[in-house]
Amino acid sequence: DSGVTQTPKHLITATGQRVTLRCSPRSGDLSVYWYQQSLDQGLQFLIQYYNGEERAKGNILERFSAQQFPDLHSELNLSSLELGDSALYFCASSVVLGGELFFGEGSRLTVL
Amino acid sequence: QQQVKQSPQSLIVQKGGIPIINCAYENTAFDYFPWYQQFPGKGPALLIAIRPDVSEKKEGRFTISFNKSAKQFSLHIMDSQPGDSATYFCAASGGSQGNLIFGKGTKLSVKP
Repeated sequence: DSGVTQTPKHLITATGQRVTLRCSPRSGDLSVYWYQQSLDQGLQFLIQYYNGEERAKGNILERFSAQQFPDLHSELNLSSLELGDSALYFCASSVVLGGELFFGEGSRLTVL
Repeated sequence: QQQVKQSPQSLIVQKGGIPIINCAYENTAFDYFPWYQQFPGKGPALLIAIRPDVSEKKEGRFTISFNKSAKQFSLHIMDSQPGDSATYFCAASGGSQGNLIFGKGTKLSVKP
């Protein structure tokens, strides 16, 4: 158990819909990262927050947004969903920048 | 643009064999090179990591070899066991951001 909690574990929805994925980092970790994992693209970095502020942005679509709240939990919002958004979405957290990332077990999103 | 290239995509070895997975990077600002192990249905977990001031690091049966001039690093698994069957990801990060850029992964199967 990494100490990173993600909900929901599974989510099935329809094209055009909007979903929110939630992540609680390990106690004391200030930095949260979101990754998308699909079969052909591996682990793609989406976005990083550090103590409530956006720190780095990767291949995140404009239809996706995220935030980190004062209690350090984070949410990833995916809107206008398309079939190609079906993937595993991982959240990770770290104590320091440039060190070990601890991953949650992921949220599996299926868009029908 | 993929910044970390990993090979092979898949690998099958017999128990006791020494699988080798290779990665190459482009960004000379990278200064942290971890390997993550992922079992089905789980999030990636840190296996071993190296920084560019050393050329080799060993932890148990796992060894990272690092070649700074060639911008390459590799993972060797000594005396591989069926329990090592998993997907392995190399990654790299650098600077003050801390977000990891992952290779596309290698699916390792160790046959009894």
